Amino acid sequence: QKEVEQDPGPLSVPEGAIVSLNCTYSNSAFQYFMWYRQYSRKGPELLMYTYSSGNKEDGRFTAQVDKSSKYISLFIRDSQPSDSATYLCAMMQTGANNLFFGTGTRLTVIP
Amino acid sequence: SAVISQKPSRDICQRGTSLTIQCQVDSQVTMMFWYRQQPGQSLTLIATANQGSEATYESGFVIDKFPISRPNLTFSTLTVSNMSPEDSSIYLCSVENRALDLRPRAFFGQGTRLTVV
Repeated sequence: QKEVEQDPGPLSVPEGAIVSLNCTYSNSAFQYFMWYRQYSRKGPELLMYTYSSGNKEDGRFTAQVDKSSKYISLFIRDSQPSDSATYLCAMMQTGANNLFFGTGTRLTVIP
Repeated sequence: SAVISQKPSRDICQRGTSLTIQCQVDSQVTMMFWYRQQPGQSLTLIATANQGSEATYESGFVIDKFPISRPNLTFSTLTVSNMSPEDSSIYLCSVENRALDLRPRAFFGQGTRLTVV
C-alpha cells in the first residue's frame, strides 16, 4: 500500500466551479500536510500548509485535514483558468525528513 | 522567501555519461534536498544534502550513482552518473529554513528535465 493515495484525474471543470481535490494516507503519524501547485514545466509551489488537524483558508483556497479518516482535501472556490495545473498533496511525520507525495491531480478549468 | 536557480533546465545525454545539476539559493538555508519526478509517479526523495559532510540517501539511491556535494549553505550539486534511459526524469532541488519558516519543503527549483538516449 502506498503511503499517500491521490486520484490522478484528469479533472475538468467550468470556470467559477468549486473544485475538490483529495488524498488519503495510511500513516497515522503524519502531522504535516501540504498542498502544492505545479504548472507545466515548473517546480512545485507550496500552496497550503497545515500542521496537525483542522481547516485552513487562504483566499479562494481551503485545506481540510481529517486525521480520524486519514483524509485531506483542498477546495478551490470560484475556479479560474489560471488554476489549471497539477495539484500535489504531501505529508510528513514530525522529526522526519521524508515528505511523502501523492502522484498529483491534473486540473483544467475551462473558460 | 527563497529563490532557487537550478541549472541546466533541460538536457539530452548519451547513455554511459554523467550530468551534474546545480542548485543555487539566494539566501542561506538549513536544509537542501534532491528529488526525482518520473511521469505518473510521486516525487521521490533521493537524498538530503548536508553541508560539510556526506549526503544522506534514501532507500534505493546510492552515492556512486547520485553523488551530491554541498560546499556551503546556498549551493548544492547532484550528479547522475553512468546514465541509462531509466534515469530520464525531472530532477528537483528543494530547500527549507526551519529557523525562519516552519513549513517543510517550502521552496522548489524549476527542475532539470533529463532525457537519456
